[in-house]
Amino acid sequence: DAGVIQSPRHEVTEMGQEVTLRCKPISGHNSLFWYRQTMMRGLELLIYFNNNVPIDDSGMPEDRFSAKMPNASFSTLKIQPSEPRDSAVYFCASSLGLAGNEQYFGPGTRLTVT
Amino acid sequence: GENVEQHPSTLSVQEGDSAVIKCTYSDSASNYFPWYKQELGKGPQLIIDIRSNVGEKKDQRIAVTLNKTAKHFSLHITETQPEDSAVYFCAASMPSGTYKYIFGTGTRLKVLA
Repeated sequence: DAGVIQSPRHEVTEMGQEVTLRCKPISGHNSLFWYRQTMMRGLELLIYFNNNVPIDDSGMPEDRFSAKMPNASFSTLKIQPSEPRDSAVYFCASSLGLAGNEQYFGPGTRLTVT
Repeated sequence: GENVEQHPSTLSVQEGDSAVIKCTYSDSASNYFPWYKQELGKGPQLIIDIRSNVGEKKDQRIAVTLNKTAKHFSLHITETQPEDSAVYFCAASMPSGTYKYIFGTGTRLKVLA
């Protein structure tokens, strides 16, 4: 299995631009999580989906952030417009969906907003 | 709200010595406690986990202990090796009905050769 796949691995953009991060979960997993990691705030859960349905988006920092999961094998996290404080590493993780099952993390997307 | 505290934030040990990282959690309903290892430039990877009906679990050089009464759990690495150098995160599951974890702030472990 290829594991969780994220693209791009690195993204550099200018303030005000739209950024789209992509994730392909492990086949068969039905829960998907988006995390943001920074030195200051550590690993924060932004949103998670179960069976393609958003369950909890309370971690999404602002309306500039949105996430979709149109099918079981693809999810996007969009930031529009981007700001320098959005610079972070964004991780996608997937699991079999039951509480207490391992979450498998992707390699992350390092986002830099100048 | 739910919280997981992790100590220490950094830890340096000599190769061959043991390392211990401790976490406390606030929600007594948490019942699953994974530990993740994150190497530079990579995503966190699960190294061991423990459920609330077990007090201790061991996997080769790694062990985790859980004290439900005190609401704390610890990671123990014995006979440390340079490749153990990484950032380690503990986590606690949110109450049943959700699939969320609350992560600790991480411990940067450095094993000195």
